[in-house]
Amino acid sequence: ETGVTQTPRHLVMGMTNKKSLKCEQHLGHNAMYWYKQSAKKPLELMFVYSLEERVENNSVPSRFSPECPNSSHLFLHLHTLQPEDSALYLCASSQSDRDNSGPQHFGDGTRLSIL
Amino acid sequence: GQNIDQPTEMTATEGAIVQINCTYQTSGFNGLFWYQQHAGEAPTFLSYNVLDGLEEKGRFSSFLSRSKGYSYLLLKELQMKDSASYLCAVVDSNYQLIWGAGTKLIIKP
Repeated sequence: ETGVTQTPRHLVMGMTNKKSLKCEQHLGHNAMYWYKQSAKKPLELMFVYSLEERVENNSVPSRFSPECPNSSHLFLHLHTLQPEDSALYLCASSQSDRDNSGPQHFGDGTRLSIL
Repeated sequence: GQNIDQPTEMTATEGAIVQINCTYQTSGFNGLFWYQQHAGEAPTFLSYNVLDGLEEKGRFSSFLSRSKGYSYLLLKELQMKDSASYLCAVVDSNYQLIWGAGTKLIIKP
């Protein structure tokens, strides 16, 4: 098993659909992250689960809803998305104390296209 | 505001040396990361600097000057497989990771 696995790799959905992105890490890490990556822009941190606490970014629209049932799995539930939400969604994990000094291990991402 | 600056794109020749710069203005500093990302793939960790100086790891080296708010990634003996984007990220005073937009490195034969 590779370190961080994301499914699906590609997703095309309409604005009224509901879908979920899945992430699984096999590294025994204690923190997991969702990022949005758009062309020529910095990675945008969306959500963090660290030591089973959710750290929320208040600028993320409510049409994105994370779920972390355990330390190995992370979901991002999507509903009524907008065309500007089309991007690469990356999941990452790390073994991190509060100082964020541990490197993050990324999955290959889900390429999301909103029609 | 917080800002990480990297060149958008660089071109270098196979076998040569290239230096990718990163300057930062952040609320505090608690470390700096470099990641490599090939097109369509996951970013992968390259280096972490928290003290001033040069860290060497094979063909790749990373340098940090905290007083200047500056880091660079040095790639030696360039290979075609080094064509990728290189991302700089800084841990700020709140231990949040601030990312640069990345530098796309193109290697020509």
